[in-house]
Amino acid sequence: DVKVTQSSRYLVKRTGEKVFLECVQDMDHENMFWYRQDPGLGLRLIYFSYDVKMKEKGDIPEGYSVSREKKERFSLILESASTNQTSMYLCASSQRGSADEKLFFGSGTQLSVL
Amino acid sequence: QKEVEQNSGPLSVPEGAIASLNCTYSDRVSQSFFWYRQYSGKSPELIMSIYSNGDKEDGRFTAQLNKASQYVSLLIRDSQPSDSATYLCAGTRNAGGTSYGKLTFGQGTILTVHP
Repeated sequence: DVKVTQSSRYLVKRTGEKVFLECVQDMDHENMFWYRQDPGLGLRLIYFSYDVKMKEKGDIPEGYSVSREKKERFSLILESASTNQTSMYLCASSQRGSADEKLFFGSGTQLSVL
Repeated sequence: QKEVEQNSGPLSVPEGAIASLNCTYSDRVSQSFFWYRQYSGKSPELIMSIYSNGDKEDGRFTAQLNKASQYVSLLIRDSQPSDSATYLCAGTRNAGGTSYGKLTFGQGTILTVHP
């Protein structure tokens, strides 16, 4: 089974801190994604990467950056955390060119910024 | 208009009934559509995908796609309490070349199946 592992289930940070969210997948998928999920808003794409060192902005990239130095690892960085970044963050991966480009999600990181 | 919009619910049905979940989409979305199920406190998991007009059946689940009306639905027959979850409709965006699996999601519909 595909496994997408997010390093933390819960995180509490202070406003202005630099925050790193880590994601590792073990199925050699080319595509990796970071979404945030907020009540009533569904999942919104922050950034995605379709190859090592390649990244593209999603719908809400402001205040975030990403890093993909290795194929299996995709990191989301909050340069200076703010209270409006309190949310559930979901990492996902998919196999490029697969029949349905099915997304496999990690278990999520609930981030609280105080 | 939102790219993908779901009837926000929540939806409550009795056990054994048919649950009907609906989704509309804008011109910016096409090609492929997906239904994900998300249990409380868990991550979403894919339950159905549909690419062409018509119906697609998988066990108790039927996905329906009508591209002319820009409408996607999910029917759950013989609903069970274990079907209680949030259902997320998603589609791929219109883009030249590959979409790289980028999906745009609706806001989700909470379904409760009561005994």
